[in-house]
Amino acid sequence: QVTLKESGPVRVRPTETLTLTCTVSGFSLSNARMGVSWIRQPPGKALEWLAHIFSNDEKSYSTSLKSRLTISKDTSTSQVVLTMTNMDPVDTATYYCARLFYDYVWGSYRHKFDYWGQGTLVTVSS
Amino acid sequence: SSELTQDPAVSVALGQTVRITCQGDSLRSYYASWYQQKPGQAPVLVIYGKNNRPSGIPDRFSGSSSGNTASLTITGAQAEDDADYYCNSRDSSGNHRWVFGGGTKLTVL
Repeated sequence: QVTLKESGPVRVRPTETLTLTCTVSGFSLSNARMGVSWIRQPPGKALEWLAHIFSNDEKSYSTSLKSRLTISKDTSTSQVVLTMTNMDPVDTATYYCARLFYDYVWGSYRHKFDYWGQGTLVTVSS
Repeated sequence: SSELTQDPAVSVALGQTVRITCQGDSLRSYYASWYQQKPGQAPVLVIYGKNNRPSGIPDRFSGSSSGNTASLTITGAQAEDDADYYCNSRDSSGNHRWVFGGGTKLTVL
């Protein structure tokens, strides 16, 4: 059974750094064609993809937030960590981690975020 | 472009068919995946690839694509399909980045 669970502070102050941890089970962070993304959703708004880490430790970031984000993983503890610097009230959101699986069918790339954590609401306020 | 555009709201009568669309340049190169989200819950994958449903997703959900537009069709909408729906695609730049659409609120009347 695949599960993901986010953990971290429920509140941070403006300018502080947010550190979130995603603990996964039911699969290994070293599995090929799999990885973990962080995705957020401000209250009442749309989903926004933030960052991703692959099994080979390759990382990718949202272009607009790249300067503030760092993603890493520890395969031995099955954890993926996201840090976001210089937090602002507009960063108030529910933060999700999700497993990405991708493959190629008849040469065409396809992907799916097939398992999601429950999400953790982070409020940025002083 | 790395944007995906969805209609903010769509309604459908109970038992009727509804199509939710998603437009973006990246869809010319990559399949969309679709997610259903109900209030207070995490998104759930409903369609991925050309037209693939995860186990447990009813076969009334189907996907299609043409040009820069991907569509999610619900044939015989049920009350429990009342939810937000998001499309998602890999970024058109070819880099390993992904983008979500703005979401469509589906109301089943």
